[in-house]
Amino acid sequence: AQKITQTQPGMFVQEKEAVTLDCTYDTSDQSYGLFWYKQPSSGEMIFLIYQGSYDEQNATEGRYSLNFQKARKSANLVISASQLGDSAMYFCAMRDRRRSNDYKLSFGAGTTVTVRA
Amino acid sequence: DAGVIQSPRHEVTEMGQEVTLRCKPISGHDYLFWYRQTMMRGLELLIYFNNNVPIDDSGMPEDRFSAKMPNASFSTLKIQPSEPRDSAVYFCASSLSLVAANEKLFFGSGTQLSVL
Repeated sequence: AQKITQTQPGMFVQEKEAVTLDCTYDTSDQSYGLFWYKQPSSGEMIFLIYQGSYDEQNATEGRYSLNFQKARKSANLVISASQLGDSAMYFCAMRDRRRSNDYKLSFGAGTTVTVRA
Repeated sequence: DAGVIQSPRHEVTEMGQEVTLRCKPISGHDYLFWYRQTMMRGLELLIYFNNNVPIDDSGMPEDRFSAKMPNASFSTLKIQPSEPRDSAVYFCASSLSLVAANEKLFFGSGTQLSVL
């Protein structure tokens, strides 16, 4: 079964505007972690932000914030004041202990963001 | 910190040839992962190691794929014989541990493999 769902294959956003990338997840674990990674056209995977399942506050890292709605199993990424350099593919990922004692990371299909000048 | 280092960045080979991808994890990281990224299947975990020991290789597609980690600072992913459908970007990543949910993965720059 799909553990991480990103329903938006691609999005366009105007420079300086905010954009929200959707992510829903499925787990029966109480302790889990949610991550967002950015993959620019150069190909590397860059860690952006982390949210723990027990964290009461939404995570923020500069222009990135995570809208965590635990009951809905949703962990949307919000990028504020978009810049041209934000054009990239964004992956939502979850770490849980579904079948082992190790927390393995599962990735969603990704959302491509294109920032327009 | 040099980060996770992968080589080569690009590899073009002919069907049937052996391909070896290399990875040097971040010093002190106990876990090493090999991922494959394709348009069709996204990011797939192939195999991961803990303290040089393979823990889960259930993602390795078939016997043509093998991975080794002879020491804490080096790992290889080998495909023999290679096929066109193996064309993908292969990422190596390392992590300090997997005990806590907040341990993040550090990725290498990836190897773009093209099998003709």
